[in-house]
Amino acid sequence: QSALTQPPSASGSPGQSVTISCTGTSSDVGAYHYVSWYQQLPGKAPKLILYEVNKRPSGVPDRFSGSKSGNTASLTVSGLQAEDEADYYCSSYAGRNKRVFGGGTKVTVL
Amino acid sequence: EVQLVQSGAEVKKPGESLKISCKGTGYTFTNYWVGWVRQMPGQGLEWMGSIYPDDSDARYGPSFEGQVTISADKSINTAYLQWNILQASDTAIYYCARQINWNYDYWGQGTLVTVSS
Repeated sequence: QSALTQPPSASGSPGQSVTISCTGTSSDVGAYHYVSWYQQLPGKAPKLILYEVNKRPSGVPDRFSGSKSGNTASLTVSGLQAEDEADYYCSSYAGRNKRVFGGGTKVTVL
Repeated sequence: EVQLVQSGAEVKKPGESLKISCKGTGYTFTNYWVGWVRQMPGQGLEWMGSIYPDDSDARYGPSFEGQVTISADKSINTAYLQWNILQASDTAIYYCARQINWNYDYWGQGTLVTVSS
């Protein structure tokens, strides 16, 4: 059960879009529709921003969207804002009530 | 309001034992799995394991099996993470989180554990 693979960093100017990939295997991302994404602001606990690939919890702006193809899931942040600067982590169900996280991607708003 | 309130920061020496806690309020504690997540200094999130407080069914991530013990006391709505022998490499922030439909929707504030001689 290895960590999911994410790019270490991504960046964009305000108003632009940034997409973060999350690559797993046929035993986790590829096997289940239970991919979630978390936003972690500096010094804070993670916050759920997407679940089941593309569903947003109440209160999360629709600028955040998700998708999945095969063993790779993606998070897109559209209309980038300064407050979106944070670390983003993907996570997938991996069977038998086990989970795996990605290594995290630091998003910088230029 | 759903809240997960974790115990305070700890400073321990290598070889010592430790048990940190996570108390759930504002929801039926026994109806949801509670997970534990490690974040080492400057690093990412790692899933350690989860427990179902109603029957104390616990699952562990492969890196943590045999290294920690996850338990729960449903009478006081509290989950625990325990080490018998701490190592310097256990220095990290530990988060608990409520699991719903394979996602963690509410998180504790984190407990900083520092292990140093």
